[in-house]
Amino acid sequence: AQRVTQPEKLLSVFKGAPVELKCNYSYSGSPELFWYVQYSRQRLQLLLRHISRESIKGFTADLNKGETSFHLKKPFAQEEDSAMYYCALRGGGGNKLTFGTGTQLKVEL
Amino acid sequence: NAGVTQTPKFQVLKTGQSMTLQCAQDMNHNSMYWYRQDPGMGLRLIYYSASEGTTDKGEVPNGYNVSRLNKREFSLRLESAAPSQTSVYFCATHHAFGTDTQYFGPGTRLTVL
Repeated sequence: AQRVTQPEKLLSVFKGAPVELKCNYSYSGSPELFWYVQYSRQRLQLLLRHISRESIKGFTADLNKGETSFHLKKPFAQEEDSAMYYCALRGGGGNKLTFGTGTQLKVEL
Repeated sequence: NAGVTQTPKFQVLKTGQSMTLQCAQDMNHNSMYWYRQDPGMGLRLIYYSASEGTTDKGEVPNGYNVSRLNKREFSLRLESAAPSQTSVYFCATHHAFGTDTQYFGPGTRLTVL
């Protein structure tokens, strides 16, 4: 069975501080990992995926197969980064995603 | 180009009532999904449809049925609503090319009393 764990329900940081949202996964095969974001009153949308290895809105995430982690990082938090962040894993057939429980990021001034 | 649309946006039901949540997409995507979002539980897959005419159970299918009548529409039915089905329901479609990701609808907030 596949599982995604996000240990923090809420992460509060000050503007300009570094941010790291943790994500660990359990999967026997070769996983594809994603980060989705849900801003207030908006629909869930893709932030980034590990295959593309790109930086979106200053966020990056590196897949560490040894530690089975896919942590989301940003060097300097901005107020507009406040949102709910979900880590997701795709494995097996049907393009199904398994989501973590989410981390609410709050950036304070 | 509306993307993924869901109706209704809000609904309140009494225990035992039935209703159908509607989802439609105009992106010509083959795969469609229904999730429920609960505090502290994240998003959990209820049912999905890999292509028109096919449906499969997800992680939490009990108490729900689905219909994929055509490529555009994927409906979720609650035959006899229970308070445990109080949740926010999201429909999503999958785009196999380009971004290769799922696109989500705005959600339906359902309360069962």
